[in-house]
Amino acid sequence: AQSVTQLDSQVPVFEEAPVELRCNYSSSVSVYLFWYVQYPNQGLQLLLKYLSGSTLVKGINGFEAEFNKSQTSFHLRKPSVHISDTAEYFCAVSDRYGGATNKLIFGTGTLLAVQP
Amino acid sequence: DTGVSQDPRHKITKRGQNVTFRCDPISEHNRLYWYRQTLGQGPEFLTYFQNEAQLEKSRLLSDRFSAERPKGSFSTLEIQRTEQGDSAMYLCASSIAGHQTDTQYFGPGTRLTVL
Repeated sequence: AQSVTQLDSQVPVFEEAPVELRCNYSSSVSVYLFWYVQYPNQGLQLLLKYLSGSTLVKGINGFEAEFNKSQTSFHLRKPSVHISDTAEYFCAVSDRYGGATNKLIFGTGTLLAVQP
Repeated sequence: DTGVSQDPRHKITKRGQNVTFRCDPISEHNRLYWYRQTLGQGPEFLTYFQNEAQLEKSRLLSDRFSAERPKGSFSTLEIQRTEQGDSAMYLCASSIAGHQTDTQYFGPGTRLTVL
């Protein structure tokens, strides 16, 4: 079975500071990895995804993430955050060889709180 | 491309009532997923359709829950005899089989409150 751990439930950071949101996963099989963002009372928006190839993945809004197979991690980073980045961020995995479903397994989320 | 839409956005009901939610996926997306998100948690998989066939159901989906996708386009999720524990955000997502490993695009969700 797969699982995703987001150890930080909340990350406070000042505007224009860098930020890293941590994600670790557990799986006995190869996985695809995703980061989604959720603004209040909205659905999830895809930030970026790792499917294969380069381990450094760039996404929207200046975010990037690095896949580390040995550490089973997929941490999300941004060099300079804005107030508008305040939201809940979810890391998710799906089974690379999951057959028909490709359902996503999500972590519990990290609230990024950007302060002026 | 108008994105995934869900209706209603909010639903308040009394315990014991039946409710039905609708999801309209992105056109030409043949895969459709339902997830449930409770407060402070990540979304949890409920069920999945490829075209009109329901191919997987989570054990979270009790027999009070039923989902359909009759013509392989929109889908409905019905909850019978609602309980307070059913209060959650119900999210729908769609994807294209085999396209970029079925990257899922989510709708805005339906927030259910059971009184």
